[in-house]
Amino acid sequence: IVMTQSPATLSVSPGERATLSCRASQSILRNLTWYQQRPGRSPRLLIYDASTRATGIPARFSGSGSGTEFTLAISSLQSEDFAAYYCQQYNNWPLSFGQGTRLEI
Amino acid sequence: QVQLVESGGGVVQPGRSLRLSCAASGFSFSDYGMHWVRQAPGKGLEWVAVVWNDGSLKYYADSVEGRFIISRDNSNNTLYLQMNSLRVEDTAMYYCETEGGDWGQGTLVTVSS
Repeated sequence: IVMTQSPATLSVSPGERATLSCRASQSILRNLTWYQQRPGRSPRLLIYDASTRATGIPARFSGSGSGTEFTLAISSLQSEDFAAYYCQQYNNWPLSFGQGTRLEI
Repeated sequence: QVQLVESGGGVVQPGRSLRLSCAASGFSFSDYGMHWVRQAPGKGLEWVAVVWNDGSLKYYADSVEGRFIISRDNSNNTLYLQMNSLRVEDTAMYYCETEGGDWGQGTLVTVSS
């Protein structure tokens, strides 16, 4: 399954809202995770099952969607949110990531 | 807390082999499936392989199928990735990840002549 993220780069100001998109080449139901990766760091799980926040993830992160279209929304951006974001499907083997969205100030 | 420590990376020539390890602690290792994920320099994430908690089932990315072998030793809380017939395009940071979404810090593999 091919995962396509858009846009590749998103420029947003602190305090504003960001919306990131992820599209699957075929239905993956709600079997989708979102990861955040800050520069020089390991990825961190944000969202699983398309909309469930992982432990310790702030409420300003929200996931939605099903089937082939998914969205990660980040409200009121903080400085630490400027990072790369990846979606991954786990409905079919082999698992696959999107190419990522870089969120920049 | 969950701790995953990868090791075994380094510089290797094309066609040679390397074995990565991931030492796990802070959780019941034998209850969790484990993944390897890699990231080429400046690129995105690429899923590599998974092994079931009891080692009974394994899946691989097409790019490594037939060359890489994932395995685990539940008695020693360690995950492995045996990488054979290495190619220049296998150059990447290799991370281990629990099925619960915890990641290690990665180990760098460079394939170069």
